[in-house]
Amino acid sequence: DAGVIQSPRHEVTEMGQEVTLRCKPISGHDYLFWYRQTMMRGLELLIYFNNNVPIDDSGMPEDRFSAKMPNASFSTLKIQPSEPRDSAVYFCASSLRPYNEQFFGPGTRLTVL
Amino acid sequence: DQQVKQNSPSLSVQEGRISILNCDYTNSMFDYFLWYKKYPAEGPTFLISISSIKDKNEDGRFTVFLNKSAKHLSLHIVPSQPGDSAVYFCAASETGANNLFFGTGTRLTVIP
Repeated sequence: DAGVIQSPRHEVTEMGQEVTLRCKPISGHDYLFWYRQTMMRGLELLIYFNNNVPIDDSGMPEDRFSAKMPNASFSTLKIQPSEPRDSAVYFCASSLRPYNEQFFGPGTRLTVL
Repeated sequence: DQQVKQNSPSLSVQEGRISILNCDYTNSMFDYFLWYKKYPAEGPTFLISISSIKDKNEDGRFTVFLNKSAKHLSLHIVPSQPGDSAVYFCAASETGANNLFFGTGTRLTVIP
């Protein structure tokens, strides 16, 4: 298996623009997680899905952030409109069980100018 | 509020010596703990875990110790190697919950 795949690896955009991050989990994994990494807070859980259904989105910073999982092999995290404070590395992870080992993608480094 | 804390943002150790990375948690319901290692431009990768029914788990050069009464765990790397230079994240979870809580990470530098 190729592991968790994320795209793009880097995204530079201007404030106010829409940003869409993409994730393909490991086949057969029922859980998918979106994290944001910052220096101050480390790895923050934004939202997670179980069998394509959003379970907990309490970590989503505000209404500008939304996530979808239309099928078992694809998820998106959208920021609209983007702001400079959204600049961070965003990771997607998947797992067979929710609280055991999670497999992370390589991350998307987002820079909002 | 951070439920998992790594108070040392960085640590430098000579090659061959022991590296000790520390982690504290506040939620007494946490019963499963993990360490992840992260290299630059890569996602974190699982390193070792421990259940609260144990106080020690060993895997090669890596040993995790858990002190439940102090709500503290530590990762020992012996002997340290330059390839161990990375950011180490501590994570914790509660049985029945569905997510991991991560610390802010400790950057380990092993000096050749």
